[in-house]
Amino acid sequence: GNSVTQMEGPVTLSEEAFLTINCTYTATGYPSLFWYVQYPGEGLQLLLKATKADDKGSNKGFEATYRKETTSFHLEKGSVQVSDSAVYFCALSEINAGNMLTFGGGTRLMVKP
Amino acid sequence: GAVVSQHPSRVICKSGTSVKIECRSLDFQATTMFWYRQFPKQSLMLMATSNEGSKATYEQGVEKDKFLINHASLTLSTLTVTSAHPEDSSFYICSARDRWGPRYNSPLHFGNGTRLTVT
Repeated sequence: GNSVTQMEGPVTLSEEAFLTINCTYTATGYPSLFWYVQYPGEGLQLLLKATKADDKGSNKGFEATYRKETTSFHLEKGSVQVSDSAVYFCALSEINAGNMLTFGGGTRLMVKP
Repeated sequence: GAVVSQHPSRVICKSGTSVKIECRSLDFQATTMFWYRQFPKQSLMLMATSNEGSKATYEQGVEKDKFLINHASLTLSTLTVTSAHPEDSSFYICSARDRWGPRYNSPLHFGNGTRLTVT
């Protein structure tokens, strides 16, 4: 079956630090990959996505590149802000699985001023 | 953009009572909605897939008589937690996909979630 593994948190950074949250996956076919963000007290929001190998998703300064050879989709941001403090979920969906999302465990990011 | 409204955002109920959570797609139609549960410090767990006009499909280990799902229209799905107990306390989130979006990998739109506390 499909699965997503992401680094455990919490990740604590100072403002303007570089962020990497690792995400690796296993899938039987050719999934699309997503990063969702959950701000405190809110639901999930799609942050970015990539639908095929070597695609780079980007949004709000965050980036992630679909690496088929390493089955990874690591999330990066060059300079984090306090407002980026949230829980980040890596996820995949595959048409053979009815496009249902499989989520990683979530990584809590805390950015200190 | 597509908006999913979930209500209520918070509910506290007594053990043994039932709680209904609504999930509405406000500006699109959704033939399929998904219900997730999030345990503290854990990831989202898919509970069931709600299909408009037919019975929901439950994931293994989810009690269908406990978590009643009704998808009466293209814009509304409800989750009723029946005879709630403290162990049902959790964060419940619904999501929906635009029926007219791209067939392959349309994004899911999520509600803001409902935090249920059973005392």
